[in-house]
Amino acid sequence: DQQVKQNSPSLSVQEGRISILNCDYTNSMFDYFLWYKKYPAEGPTFLISISSIKDKNEDGRFTVFLNKSAKHLSLHIVPSQPGDSAVYFCAGTNAGGTSYGKLTFGQGTILTVHP
Amino acid sequence: GAGVSQTPSNKVTEKGKYVELRCDPISGHTALYWYRQSLGQGPEFLIYFQGTGAADDSGLPNDRFFAVRPEGSVSTLKIQRTERGDSAVYLCASSLSGSAGELFFGEGSRLTVL
Repeated sequence: DQQVKQNSPSLSVQEGRISILNCDYTNSMFDYFLWYKKYPAEGPTFLISISSIKDKNEDGRFTVFLNKSAKHLSLHIVPSQPGDSAVYFCAGTNAGGTSYGKLTFGQGTILTVHP
Repeated sequence: GAGVSQTPSNKVTEKGKYVELRCDPISGHTALYWYRQSLGQGPEFLIYFQGTGAADDSGLPNDRFFAVRPEGSVSTLKIQRTERGDSAVYLCASSLSGSAGELFFGEGSRLTVL
């Protein structure tokens, strides 16, 4: 049972354009969502998060949108830069639970930003 | 060091052997997590420590897997009678207690079981 799904294995965009990465979840207990970025041979690094009490969170070029009714979230990167090329993972958790670091990850989306 | 340190970075072993993977978390982080990432998949939760105790081990796949954190800092993931299906990157992460979900990951230990 894949509780967090990233249906696009890869995405290719031109430098300067917008990148939109999508994520769907099925677990209604999730109330906190995170995006992680991973470069080859490195561990994932935290990018941005959003609580279920919000529908948008913005940090510089990165914005995460949450649609609770659709159980869908998306990460927007604008403008995209070649250094953004990496694997992006979406994750959900129950922040109100006792194991809030117990993240459920999606399969990841490989983003390639072309100069 | 400033980050989460994992050793070894690579481990090749034969089916049936015993393996230990070590994690040194960020100083002061009381929460420590082990995840496993198979090829083409996202990280999968294995176990969570708060201090010295395993607060949640629901992700350990079977009793061949065991983890300890005797002094509340360094942790060791132990795998007995390794199988080819155990081949994966084992990721360790740490966080300050109370920081919901924002984990700091190490670079991982790549385990290959021949």
